[in-house]
Amino acid sequence: EAQVTQNPRYLITVTGKKLTVTCSQNMNHEYMSWYRQDPGLGLRQIYYSMNVEVTDKGDVPEGYKVSRKEKRNFPLILESPSPNQTSLYFCASSTRQGGENTIYFGEGSWLTVV
Amino acid sequence: AQSVTQPDIHITVSEGASLELRCNYSYGATPYLFWYVQSPGQGLQLLLKYFSGDTLVQGIKGFEAEFKRSQSSFNLRKPSVHWSDAAEYFCAVGARDTGTASKLTFGTGTRLQVTL
Repeated sequence: EAQVTQNPRYLITVTGKKLTVTCSQNMNHEYMSWYRQDPGLGLRQIYYSMNVEVTDKGDVPEGYKVSRKEKRNFPLILESPSPNQTSLYFCASSTRQGGENTIYFGEGSWLTVV
Repeated sequence: AQSVTQPDIHITVSEGASLELRCNYSYGATPYLFWYVQSPGQGLQLLLKYFSGDTLVQGIKGFEAEFKRSQSSFNLRKPSVHWSDAAEYFCAVGARDTGTASKLTFGTGTRLQVTL
């Protein structure tokens, strides 16, 4: 079954304590992205990756880091979380091969920074 | 840069009534267009998508959407709403030149409430 898996699904953390949200996909997709969802703002892209070792900023990259060392994984790193990073985070993967052009989303990770 | 406007933040309809959710986009060419639904506490589920061809697109759960180039719109419709349709609905646009794979731009969402 095609899946994008995020962990943890729910996390409460304190300001300044580094955390990583993992994302893994089993579809051999070359593209992966992170989005955050905030009330009244919809989803906004944080970072994306077009393939291994290729990443680029999205619309709201400040305060986040990513890496793409393997094709299937795309972790989101918050080096020093702040309360304004409290949000619902979605990982996504997709491919352009075969004209697919459909983005698959994970189930989301609820992050609260206190 | 592409953008999406969903002018209705909140809509209430009675069960069995028809539904239309509005979506307007801004993009220099014909974009890829999507509608997603998000139930409370859940992730995003793709309802339908438009890439090319027939401008009336059928999706899951009885939804359809019509792409109107002249109006830069991609409104979502359902002829008879069920209570289980209560959720938040997001319209999204992807750039045709790079493909949607790299980025989707989302609207701010419309929350649908269904009264019995």
